[in-house]
Amino acid sequence: DQQVKQNSPSLSVQEGRISILNCDYTNSMFDYFLWYKKYPAEGPTFLISISSIKDKNEDGRFTVFLNKSAKHLSLHIVPSQPGDSAVYFCAAKGSGAGNMLTFGGGTRLMVKP
Amino acid sequence: KAGVTQTPRYLIKTRGQQVTLSCSPISGHRSVSWYQQTPGQGLQFLFEYFSETQRNKGNFPGRFSGRQFSNSRSEMNVSTLELGDSALYLCASSLRSGTVQETQYFGPGTRLLVL
Repeated sequence: DQQVKQNSPSLSVQEGRISILNCDYTNSMFDYFLWYKKYPAEGPTFLISISSIKDKNEDGRFTVFLNKSAKHLSLHIVPSQPGDSAVYFCAAKGSGAGNMLTFGGGTRLMVKP
Repeated sequence: KAGVTQTPRYLIKTRGQQVTLSCSPISGHRSVSWYQQTPGQGLQFLFEYFSETQRNKGNFPGRFSGRQFSNSRSEMNVSTLELGDSALYLCASSLRSGTVQETQYFGPGTRLLVL
């Protein structure tokens, strides 16, 4: 049972345009959501997070939106740069589960110059 | 501040052997979690240690174990290795455990190949 899903395995975007990566979850106990970026053979790098009490969080070019009723979150990257090309994972944490993260399967983003 | 470090970075073992991986968290961080990444199963939680106590355990067999030392450094051990244990093993650290907005920071991982 996949509690966190990223339905698009890959996404291709032109440099300068917006990249939108999506993530759906099923567990209503999740209360904190994170996005990580990962290059091959490296550990995930933290990008941005959002608490379930908010619906938007912004950090520079990165914005995360949370729609609790739809159990959906998205990461917007504006403008996209070739260096953003990587695999992006969304992760969720639930109350009472310590720091255990449940990850989605990842979306490979390719930003073309 | 130095990031999370993991040793060794690469390891080759044969079936039936055992292996120990090490993780040093960011200075001041007391929670260490371990994850396994494979092409088929993605990133999966193994266990979390906080103040030398296992706080959570994922759905892995008992061959996977870990411990944490008083300086917060952690080791994980896999006994009787199987081919399916070939994976990237990631360690993540955070300041506390159980608080809502607690972000984990990952190390570079240990790539284990079981032949």
